[in-house]
Amino acid sequence: EIVLTQSPGTLSLSPGERATLSCRASQSVKSNYLAWYQQKPGQAPRLLIYGASSRATGIPDRFSGSGSGTDFTLTISRLEPEDFAVYYCQQYGSSLPNPFGGGTKVEIK
Amino acid sequence: QVHLQESGPGLVKPSQTLSLTCTVSGVSISGGNYYWAWVRQPAGKRLEWIGRIYAGGSITYNPSLKSRITISIDTSRSHFSLRLTSVTAADTAVYYCARDNWSTALDFWGQGIQVTVSS
Repeated sequence: EIVLTQSPGTLSLSPGERATLSCRASQSVKSNYLAWYQQKPGQAPRLLIYGASSRATGIPDRFSGSGSGTDFTLTISRLEPEDFAVYYCQQYGSSLPNPFGGGTKVEIK
Repeated sequence: QVHLQESGPGLVKPSQTLSLTCTVSGVSISGGNYYWAWVRQPAGKRLEWIGRIYAGGSITYNPSLKSRITISIDTSRSHFSLRLTSVTAADTAVYYCARDNWSTALDFWGQGIQVTVSS
């Protein structure tokens, strides 16, 4: 079973700054089936990125995903006030179970 | 628009069975290349994938929970369900249902339901 490790645990930034979040897998992610989700307090997760780099419907282009194999990155080019939240990566698809990472909290500095 | 809604008791006694239903609207639960999944999240902790079902009959469970869970689907009522037996306080969590769009991950989620295991 793949284990996903996200870093850092918390990222303290100001609006307008660039955020870089990391997700490292214990083994290669098949077909680059790696997704990123955003979760705000009291809300369900929202899909941002699938297939490591494809934006989901309606997601602003300031969100981008990259990486392959075992190392993946979510970048938010310029933080907007509504972007302060917790972000999770997930390996999905046929390699079951489909685990999530421990999350990165992006907080206002 | 695709909409998922969880329902069920918010409080379950230890050793009893947790039963939740997810009602799907805006899309055919039996059409398309979709799986239907359950995910849970204990307070302050990471999301945990529980399992998923395909209307055609394929079901997969998280090995860590496999001995206690059953996921089923009722296409006539457009809903799918989760049963978790022999619950303990460790099963206290927000439970989410979601659409697993195979190659594009969990693209639609329910709002979640808080389930507390306590006597």
